[in-house]
Amino acid sequence: DIQMTQSPSSLSASVGDRVTITCRASQAISNFLIWYQQKPGRAPKVLIYAASTLQIGVPSRFSGSGSGTDFTLTISSLQPEDFATYYCQQTYNTPRTFGPGTKVDFK
Amino acid sequence: QVQLQESGPGLVKPSQTLSLTCTVSGGSLSSFSDASYYWSWIRQPAGKGLEWIGRIFPSGDTNYNPSLNGRVIMSIDTSKRQFSLRLYSVTAADTAVYYCARGNYGSGKADYWGQGTLVTVSS
Repeated sequence: DIQMTQSPSSLSASVGDRVTITCRASQAISNFLIWYQQKPGRAPKVLIYAASTLQIGVPSRFSGSGSGTDFTLTISSLQPEDFATYYCQQTYNTPRTFGPGTKVDFK
Repeated sequence: QVQLQESGPGLVKPSQTLSLTCTVSGGSLSSFSDASYYWSWIRQPAGKGLEWIGRIFPSGDTNYNPSLNGRVIMSIDTSKRQFSLRLYSVTAADTAVYYCARGNYGSGKADYWGQGTLVTVSS
């Protein structure tokens, strides 16, 4: 199985901050990388697919980059509704695997 | 707008079988059988991360997570726009919120999800 790691596991930030979350795969996965946002009690919501393609309806302050094994999710200016947990997932092969998540909360 | 809804017992006894069904509504009638999509199950224990259980294609082809040690069977009924999960020989470790979701064949993104249903394994 491909192992996914994320850093940091949690971070505290303020509205307006630039936030960067990294995700690393245990082997090269090309650009088969998805970023999800999950709020408490809710299902995950796709933000980015194919490592850098913004899902329709997602604000442009979210962006993704990377290829191979190293990936980044950036929120250019954190908004109150962005406080949530973020997961990466590889879709290179099965079983699909998720990173452990990064919780973004208020500083 | 595609909608997914999980249904099934919220409480299952240890060693028994967890059975859930996901009903898909909205979108075009043909999209459920469209080979561009597949149908997945994902679970999340309380306070923990996401675990991919497996997926089923409209053809009935499946992929399962080997970590579940062969305890999973998925099925699909395209006429009813439903797909199902059976997890055998459950233990307390199978207690989780179970989500169904639609996957896209190209990117693999799960773009529509059910609201999730809590299944507790307890005697």
